[in-house]
Amino acid sequence: GAGVSQSPSNKVTEKGKDVELRCDPISGHTALYWYRQSLGQGLEFLIYFQGNSAPDKSGLPSDRFSAERTGGSVSTLTIQRTQQEDSAVYLCASSSGQGALHEQYFGPGTRLTVT
Amino acid sequence: LAKTTQPISMDSYEGQEVNITCSHNNIATNDYITWYQQFPSQGPRFIIQGYKTKVTNEVASLFIPADRKSSTLSLPRVSLSDTAVYYCLVGSPSGSARQLTFGSGTQLTVLP
Repeated sequence: GAGVSQSPSNKVTEKGKDVELRCDPISGHTALYWYRQSLGQGLEFLIYFQGNSAPDKSGLPSDRFSAERTGGSVSTLTIQRTQQEDSAVYLCASSSGQGALHEQYFGPGTRLTVT
Repeated sequence: LAKTTQPISMDSYEGQEVNITCSHNNIATNDYITWYQQFPSQGPRFIIQGYKTKVTNEVASLFIPADRKSSTLSLPRVSLSDTAVYYCLVGSPSGSARQLTFGSGTQLTVLP
């Protein structure tokens, strides 16, 4: 079946612009995660959705970052007034539930470059 | 949150068995140990998960001693395509999403 997809695969934007990153999870997966990975670094947790609600937004680095999920499916991560330090690969994952026993399935990521 | 410690990098040669050890000294009673693999320009993918003793699947084995304060991922007869970053995660079935911290992982490089 179809895996997790993300779009765009690459995004180059100018400092100060807003960007939207999209994640299409595996159908039926109730849990959705956003992570950020800087070059050569591990994954930084950003936000988690269970259905349409986000019980854990603690990882969002600033109020310029926001995310929503509609219909228990597609999620959008929005970064306002982008800064150069926002440059990274943004990964989305979905799973059939939260907690350690639920395997996370990752998308290919969106590489964001802020110039 | 249970913190994990892994070597930053390891080198091996094709055909050898590779063992990557992860330390998790403050693992909780309900915590499971999960390993993910990440190839360049891809998202991580699940390899194996275990609670105690030994777990084996078609890809790897996971060895967990009785005190569960560490675990070892064993990759038999590695090939060049096993070059990747390997992440050790510790978390409970009822825990929050954020507990599954990926950290920096171990960069395994398989040499010809």
